[in-house]
Amino acid sequence: AQTVTQSQPEMSVQEAETVTLSCTYDTSESDYYLFWYKQPPSRQMILVIRQEAYKQQNATENRFSVNFQKAAKSFSLKISDSQLGDAAMYFCAYRETGNQFYFGTGTSLTVIP
Amino acid sequence: NAGVTQTPKFQVLKTGQSMTLQCAQDMNHNSMYWYRQDPGMGLRLIYYSASEGTTDKGEVPNGYNVSRLNKREFSLRLESAAPSQTSVYFCASRRRANTGELFFGEGSRLTVL
Repeated sequence: AQTVTQSQPEMSVQEAETVTLSCTYDTSESDYYLFWYKQPPSRQMILVIRQEAYKQQNATENRFSVNFQKAAKSFSLKISDSQLGDAAMYFCAYRETGNQFYFGTGTSLTVIP
Repeated sequence: NAGVTQTPKFQVLKTGQSMTLQCAQDMNHNSMYWYRQDPGMGLRLIYYSASEGTTDKGEVPNGYNVSRLNKREFSLRLESAAPSQTSVYFCASRRRANTGELFFGEGSRLTVL
């Protein structure tokens, strides 16, 4: 099985500041897909952003952007202008061209007013 | 647009009892999945179904069975529940396109006493 590592179990950020969540993965494939999911206290899993490995340009969705370093097998999530509603557990996920997704253990983000 | 619907949302069982978690999606997705989420362990795949009529084991299939009843429905059965199966269970679905992300249900919290 592929492994996805999130080395930061907990992070905190001041409201309006920027925070970066780390994710690394292990693969020998060249074609794969990466995702960040958000899980607020409601428990609902929500897609934040995704990146196709063949694309060199880093994905961006409003205040959320990624730093995709293919050679380093790194996929970090940057949240700009943090808001109270960003407080959640964040999961990094990896999928090859097959059907299985592999998830990291999550990073709990606290936003301090 | 309901998306992915799981029932029940909460369930308490005694050791040795059986139960079935139901999942239905209305997005005409081909693939469906069952995950369990435990503290500090992220999401782990129990079983998935790439298409109607097929099922495959994931990372933690022991103690579970699944049925892909039709394209919409994918159920998870615990034949003889054990305390180790206390967890939050998520059903998810995905269309077949390579970039397809997972769409999740709201989760089902199961407690086995």
